[in-house]
Amino acid sequence: DAKTTQPNSMESNEEEPVHLPCNHSTISGTDYIHWYRQLPSQGPEYVIHGLTSNVNNRMASLAIAEDRKSSTLILHRATLRDAAVYYCILRDVNGGSNYKLTFGKGTLLTVNP
Amino acid sequence: DTGVSQDPRHKITKRGQNVTFRCDPISEHNRLYWYRQTLGQGPEFLTYFQNEAQLEKSRLLSDRFSAERPKGSFSTLEIQRTEQGDSAMYLCASSLAPYTGELFFGEGSRLTVL
Repeated sequence: DAKTTQPNSMESNEEEPVHLPCNHSTISGTDYIHWYRQLPSQGPEYVIHGLTSNVNNRMASLAIAEDRKSSTLILHRATLRDAAVYYCILRDVNGGSNYKLTFGKGTLLTVNP
Repeated sequence: DTGVSQDPRHKITKRGQNVTFRCDPISEHNRLYWYRQTLGQGPEFLTYFQNEAQLEKSRLLSDRFSAERPKGSFSTLEIQRTEQGDSAMYLCASSLAPYTGELFFGEGSRLTVL
């Protein structure tokens, strides 16, 4: 499976934008980029996913580099409730186990009031 | 609440005992997954059901672990002869088919083996 690299931790201030980076230099053409987050004492929660184009939803935006070797999850205005571990995951849609997500350790985001 | 529910949320047991966890997925979801998460790590895939059929089991799932999904609705994960290394959060997730990339996770069942 193609792997992702994320910083172990990041800090931000409330109401400021947050850019969470993810490197995936070995990404294949059929790998989707998924982001999940996990709040303390909860199960992971889907945030967003994309293939090539930038994506927006009510929670966040996903910016994908033109060569697809990196991506950035953007939280436009961080709130205290956004403090969580954020996971960047690649999923090969053509793989035999394309339903399976392989989580790394993610980035622990701290939001300061 | 129509999300994925798991029971019990917390279980403390002594080494050697058997434990069972239950997962109720979102009602229209025909796919169900179990993951395990230890402290400081991301979740790891354990097994996957499509309806009542168990289609994949991870090598992490030793012979002491068994999962079922009778009638394609709720699922149970049983651990026999628990060991201290089984202490973890056991997460259940469900999704629709065809898979759209979004898994819905429950809040997990935390197991502590003394």
